[in-house]
Amino acid sequence: GAGVSQSPRYKVAKRGQDVALRCDPISGHVSLFWYQQALGQGPEFLTYFQNEAQLDKSGLPSDRFFAERPEGSVSTLKIQRTQQEDSAVYLCASSPRARLSQETQYFGPGTRLLVL
Amino acid sequence: EDQVTQSPEALRLQEGESSSLNCSYTVSGLRGLFWYRQDPGKGPEFLFTLYSAGEEKEKERLKATLTKKESFLHITAPKPEDSATYLCAVRILTQGGSEKLVFGKGTKLTVNP
Repeated sequence: GAGVSQSPRYKVAKRGQDVALRCDPISGHVSLFWYQQALGQGPEFLTYFQNEAQLDKSGLPSDRFFAERPEGSVSTLKIQRTQQEDSAVYLCASSPRARLSQETQYFGPGTRLLVL
Repeated sequence: EDQVTQSPEALRLQEGESSSLNCSYTVSGLRGLFWYRQDPGKGPEFLFTLYSAGEEKEKERLKATLTKKESFLHITAPKPEDSATYLCAVRILTQGGSEKLVFGKGTKLTVNP
């Protein structure tokens, strides 16, 4: 079946531009996560949605980062006034239920963002 | 602070040369330890979940084990297609009552033919 998809796969932005990254989770998955992965590092948690509710945004690095999931399916991560340090791969993951318990997270291929 | 440390950072093996990757962790309230495989340009692919000390899981040439402080990913007779970065992550409960994964930096494995 279809996995998690993300678009665009690559994005080049000039410093100061706003960008929007899209995530299409596996159909019916309740939980949705965003992670940031810098080069040579493991993914770092950004934010978590349970359906349309954003329950945890403790990992968002600044108020320039904003995420939404208005209808409980597709999610968008928006970065305003991009900076060079925002260059990274942004990964989206989804999970079938609200409480992870026995479930794992299924990751998309990521969006590679380069800020010049 | 919750921390996950993986070693070595990089490992080169000859085809058929067995070895182990290490993941040590310090977390309050472990709710599962995960191993993922990540190929260049792709997202992490789930391999195993371990929940309690002494637990072991196997899949083809891979075997994951868990103790109270660390986990090992054993690779038996690896093949070049096993080349990838292997990520370890622990699931923890956040202050807000949700759960998240805390990842290590990964071990980049290269298996030469």
